[in-house]
Amino acid sequence: GAGVSQSPSNKVTEKGKDVELRCDPISGHTALYWYRQSLGQGLEFLIYFQGNSAPDKSGLPSDRFSAERTGGSVSTLTIQRTQQEDSAVYLCASSLSGVTYNEQFFGPGTRLTVL
Amino acid sequence: DQQVKQNSPSLSVQEGRISILNCDYTNSMFDYFLWYKKYPAEGPTFLISISSIKDKNEDGRFTVFLNKSAKHLSLHIVPSQPGDSAVYFCAASESLGDMRFGAGTRLTVKP
Repeated sequence: GAGVSQSPSNKVTEKGKDVELRCDPISGHTALYWYRQSLGQGLEFLIYFQGNSAPDKSGLPSDRFSAERTGGSVSTLTIQRTQQEDSAVYLCASSLSGVTYNEQFFGPGTRLTVL
Repeated sequence: DQQVKQNSPSLSVQEGRISILNCDYTNSMFDYFLWYKKYPAEGPTFLISISSIKDKNEDGRFTVFLNKSAKHLSLHIVPSQPGDSAVYFCAASESLGDMRFGAGTRLTVKP
């Protein structure tokens, strides 16, 4: 596809369960970013990948959050033992390069609801 | 630690008038600034950007102004159109990859 895609679009889970969110960036984009948007809040930076490595993990809110990227393409964000405060829209973005200031292209997001 | 702040959660403007959205930042190391527009149920889309070596960048109806000494930037939309109704996010970047976003301002343009 031409844009960033994310799956699932919606996820409802029970507190304590693990969830995995997927992001397919635009082909050829080496930089990939994860953000989350909680109700009434702005975009909160979570993690940034340049290729398969993550030079900036400073935004991950706790050790229950982890992310990986393989093959310089698809990325997964995993949340273990989900809590109700994890409920948010998780947005993925990609850009041509993280080396220069490139416009980020966002996916539609995954809406996570933790009951 | 909110390094990028949009203090107005909402703004309502009449069609044809100017919309002015404001953004303040605290990190003096930020040197690239962007505005994104977001419609409901969609991801943000890039609108316009400015680097710190400039104080103004114009693209059609959209102009971004940067005041580095005040650590303030603004987005002007003129004339405003109903299709401009969306949430606008201000973003700032210091270096490689890391971009910080404000909380957003919901713009409503009334016909």
